[in-house]
Amino acid sequence: DTEVTQTPKHLVMGMTNKKSLKCEQHMGHRAMYWYKQKAKKPPELMFVYSYEKLSINESVPSRFSPECPNSSLLNLHLHALQPEDSALYLCASSQVGTGGGRSEAFFGQGTRLTVV
Amino acid sequence: SQQGEEDPQALSIQEGENATMNCSYKTSINNLQWYRQNSGRGLVHLILIRSNEREKHSGRLRVTLDTSKKSSSLLITASRAADTASYFCATGTSGSRLTFGEGTQLTVNP
Repeated sequence: DTEVTQTPKHLVMGMTNKKSLKCEQHMGHRAMYWYKQKAKKPPELMFVYSYEKLSINESVPSRFSPECPNSSLLNLHLHALQPEDSALYLCASSQVGTGGGRSEAFFGQGTRLTVV
Repeated sequence: SQQGEEDPQALSIQEGENATMNCSYKTSINNLQWYRQNSGRGLVHLILIRSNEREKHSGRLRVTLDTSKKSSSLLITASRAADTASYFCATGTSGSRLTFGEGTQLTVNP
């Protein structure tokens, strides 16, 4: 199984709502990622979890709150978002980077988020 | 912040021609990877080249890496209409960080 599954595929939320994005993988990967991608732009790294611990936070606003409950699951909790947060949110997983190159990432299909 | 730049930003070729995309980056890397993305959905890993490698092949793909110039190129030979997509390079650095370049939109005309 080389799939990364993201739910939901589409999400529309108001600026006062609280919602969560979910990501699941069963490849035994111990690094998991959240990326944000705007139209016609590259994915921007938001968070990296390594062995279920937050290892990288790219100065993301606190209205985005990641959580890694176990080695297979990754959540992104959303609260009080702004319309400019509308984007495609991508989850990925990989082996923990060893420097030896065994770190190709597998991506989910993303959640298309619209904030109204 | 994004690691690198890619050129060209957009490339349009005829089926059967070769397509070359270039990527430059700024910091030391563990590896450089190329990904493909169709229609703003998930990215698919194409090929990974380690920092101590200079060239790698996979099917119709050929990747080169020049760490002295901090640059890489992706060559797709004998292109097909189905190769139409966005192509991104990504640098793997310490701490499992994976940072993407700006991307090239490739259009292969039948």
